[in-house]
Amino acid sequence: DTAVSQTPKYLVTQMGNDKSIKCEQNLGHDTMYWYKQDSKKFLKIMFSYNNKELIINETVPNRFSPKSPDKAHLNLHINSLELGDSAVYFCASSHRASLGANVLTFGAGSRLTVL
Amino acid sequence: LAKTTQPISMDSYEGQEVNITCSHNNIATNDYITWYQQFPSQGPRFIIQGYKTKVTNEVASLFIPADRKSSTLSLPRVSLSDTAVYYCLVGDVDNAGNMLTFGGGTRLMVKP
Repeated sequence: DTAVSQTPKYLVTQMGNDKSIKCEQNLGHDTMYWYKQDSKKFLKIMFSYNNKELIINETVPNRFSPKSPDKAHLNLHINSLELGDSAVYFCASSHRASLGANVLTFGAGSRLTVL
Repeated sequence: LAKTTQPISMDSYEGQEVNITCSHNNIATNDYITWYQQFPSQGPRFIIQGYKTKVTNEVASLFIPADRKSSTLSLPRVSLSDTAVYYCLVGDVDNAGNMLTFGGGTRLMVKP
């Protein structure tokens, strides 16, 4: 069984559209994340969600919104897609055992291309 | 401010030992040092984590000096399949208190 699974793996869409990427983890972790990896391979945190606490990276446009129906899922919804949103998006999860010692388990990534 | 600094790229040959050093001068008391490996078209994968001295597992060793201002990931006898990007992370947040962003990592190229 895949520990962190995200769908779709590839997504090609037009500017202005709204799209979602789904993420599910079966590890029993209490925290889930979304990262964006750009062409320079920098992985930038977008969101961290732990139970009812959502932490948002201040640089993320409000067109991006995470939605968590339950502890095992954290979906990423993007409104009014722009060319600059093209990237690979990674979902991850962790068990916050202790501050400063976080270990993340990543999904395989979803490559979004906006035309 | 970036919390970690590591070389952009490194080349090695099969069978050699590879050491990748990461500088983290502003490491906090409760910060652990964690290394990840990323292959093309895959998500990063946890390799090893340590707090001080030396940690070894089946994949790698992690050396951390007493001042903890740097760490070295050691990969013994690398093979072609070790070609990947290696990321060093320290703690959970950066110096501004924002959730952690991975840096550009170190691109390791293993040649025959």
